[in-house]
Amino acid sequence: DADVTQTPRNRITKTGKRIMLECSQTKGHDRMYWYRQDPGLGLRLIYYSFDVKDINKGEISDGYSVSRQAQAKFSLSLESAIPNQTALYFCATSDPNRGSSYEQYFGPGTRLTVT
Amino acid sequence: AQSVTQLGSHVSVSEGALVLLRCNYSSSVPPYLFWYVQYPNQGLQLLLKYTSAATLVKGINGFEAEFKKSETSFHLTKPSAHMSDAAEYFCAVRMNNAGNMLTFGGGTRLMVKP
Repeated sequence: DADVTQTPRNRITKTGKRIMLECSQTKGHDRMYWYRQDPGLGLRLIYYSFDVKDINKGEISDGYSVSRQAQAKFSLSLESAIPNQTALYFCATSDPNRGSSYEQYFGPGTRLTVT
Repeated sequence: AQSVTQLGSHVSVSEGALVLLRCNYSSSVPPYLFWYVQYPNQGLQLLLKYTSAATLVKGINGFEAEFKKSETSFHLTKPSAHMSDAAEYFCAVRMNNAGNMLTFGGGTRLMVKP
């Protein structure tokens, strides 16, 4: 089974709708991240969480919110989706305390289309 | 501030040819550097990482990268391309902040011609 899972894998929604993307991990890592990927722009950080009580904005947090329901779960919400939020979204985890040298482990991604 | 530049958003090579994907970084602290690969419809997978030990780092699938401090580079190479290497490749550097998070380059799509 995959260590980092994301649901749904694909989603098409309409402008103005609220949508939630979910991420779960079995790696036991404290840190979790949400990124969006757009062609030519690489991955840009939306939000990150270092533990259940610690949530921080990334470089492109406007229009997004998150919830860290447990160590293993980190959800991303689009309160009112707009077409320029069409992108590939990735969840990732890390745990530097275990000597992993800051590397991150990624889920398979959610392809979101806003029409 | 830390940043990563990947030269060439698309690189095309013939099967069996040398693969060279370029990455230059800026960092105000000793860098930790990473190369990730993304196969179609999949997440990012770590290829290799530099963490201040040996400057020539070997990764999975025959890839390697050399850390050159004087050139602030961490280019990815593979002597002989295989069709299965077709993917997008991302270079990343550890950010110098409280979280030691990663910042990513824009990615390079590698195409392998038969």
